[in-house]
Amino acid sequence: DIQMTQSPSSLSASVGDRVTITCRASEKINNYLNWYQQIPGKAPKLLIFAASTLQSGVPSRFSGSGSGTDFTLTISSLQPEDFATYYCQQSYGNLITFGGGTKVEIK
Amino acid sequence: QVQLQESGPGLVKPSQTLSLTCTVSGGSISSGSHYWNWLRQPAGKGLEWIGRIYSSGSTNYNPSLRSRLIISVDKSKNQFSLKMSSVTAADTAVYYCATEGPPSLNGPPFDYWGQGILVTVSS
Repeated sequence: DIQMTQSPSSLSASVGDRVTITCRASEKINNYLNWYQQIPGKAPKLLIFAASTLQSGVPSRFSGSGSGTDFTLTISSLQPEDFATYYCQQSYGNLITFGGGTKVEIK
Repeated sequence: QVQLQESGPGLVKPSQTLSLTCTVSGGSISSGSHYWNWLRQPAGKGLEWIGRIYSSGSTNYNPSLRSRLIISVDKSKNQFSLKMSSVTAADTAVYYCATEGPPSLNGPPFDYWGQGILVTVSS
C-alpha cells in the first residue's frame, strides 16, 4: 500500500499569511495526487487534482505542485474561510489512500 | 451538477450488517461519467476509502475490508449501495458516498460528495 505522510499535522497562522502543507508518498505516484479541504461537520471539498490543477470555482490563492513522491499545497494569503483541515490523496495504487490531514488553526 | 444523498440506519448492532444507499441526482449512474465510491471517517480521524463500483457493475474494494463488503448498483433507481457485514464498534464512522471522475483523468479525484451519514455500531 502507498502511505501518504502529511506535515505538519497542525499549524497556527494569521489571516494574510502564506501557508504551505507538504505531502510525501511512500513510492512514486507520478502526479496522481489530489487535495481536499474539510470544514468540521462537512464533507471534504476538492481543491486541486492531478497535483497542480485547480478545481473549478476554487479561489486562485490555492495552488499545488510536485510530482513523484513530494507534493505541496500552498495558500498564498490565508482567508478566514480557509481555517479547516486539509487532506492529500493518492490514486496511483490499487488502494486509494489519504494523508493524515493538516489542521489549519487561527493564531 | 451531480448531487449525492446517503440514507440508511444510523444505529447498527454489533455483528449485524450495515446497509447504506446513495441516491444520485443531476447525473446518471449509467452514463459512465464517473465511478461511484464509498468512504468513511471515524470521529476526529482521517478518511478511509471503502470501495467503488463502475457503471458496468464491476467493483474494487479496500483489501482490509473486502471480505465484509458488497457494493451494488440499481440503475433503475439511480442508486448505489453499500453492505458491510459483521460490524463492530470500529466501524462507527461518518460514511460518505462520492463520485470519482472524470475517468479520462489519470487518477481521477473525488469531485462530488454526499453530506455524509453517521453510523454508530452499538448494542
